[in-house]
Amino acid sequence: NAGVMQNPRHLVRRRGQEARLRCSPMKGHSHVYWYRQLPEEGLKFMVYLQKENIIDESGMPKERFSAEFPKEGPSILRIQQVVRGDSAAYFCASSVDRGATRNTIYFGEGSWLTVV
Amino acid sequence: QKEVEQDPGPLSVPEGAIVSLNCTYSNSAFQYFMWYRQYSRKGPELLMYTYSSGNKEDGRFTAQVDKSSKYISLFIRDSQPSDSATYLCAMSVEGTSGTYKYIFGTGTRLKVLA
Repeated sequence: NAGVMQNPRHLVRRRGQEARLRCSPMKGHSHVYWYRQLPEEGLKFMVYLQKENIIDESGMPKERFSAEFPKEGPSILRIQQVVRGDSAAYFCASSVDRGATRNTIYFGEGSWLTVV
Repeated sequence: QKEVEQDPGPLSVPEGAIVSLNCTYSNSAFQYFMWYRQYSRKGPELLMYTYSSGNKEDGRFTAQVDKSSKYISLFIRDSQPSDSATYLCAMSVEGTSGTYKYIFGTGTRLKVLA
């Protein structure tokens, strides 16, 4: 399966713990996007990264949330000191750098975070 | 005002009906228009992608863009129970250095009754 891979699919954390969500983009894709989806709500943009670069983090909460996309390995969305309001589905999407589909993004299956 | 407006539904139709899903937008800079289908507890799946005004057809699906009215539609012909899902419209605009910004509608929940 050459699609966008996210893990874990489901994650349960107690309040105050840390959550780490991982995303491997599609083969050949160098752009990664993270979105959050709350129940009955749409996709909310969080952050856009290229390898070793944060391009746009305008949707990221100022505290407790961080993201990286290292030169090697998957992109990581990190949530420190989780609170109940962080419970949501987190989706990663990727796109190519150039070519006919450079302006289209493809999603993974999501990571469902539950904070108890 | 939201950049992209989409009726959340739910929309219930009988099997075989023609379904019309719509989005309006306010930013005239949007250049590319997409429709995604999302089943419950799954990731959004790209259905259709268009650039220019007019129609684009793919099987039972037709995407329509009217840039002058800032209005896009997705039509589903001969709807099937398997089409029951949430449909998200999305729009993108090119930013600096070849990067793109994507904005999504809230999604319309569709239920096709057998």
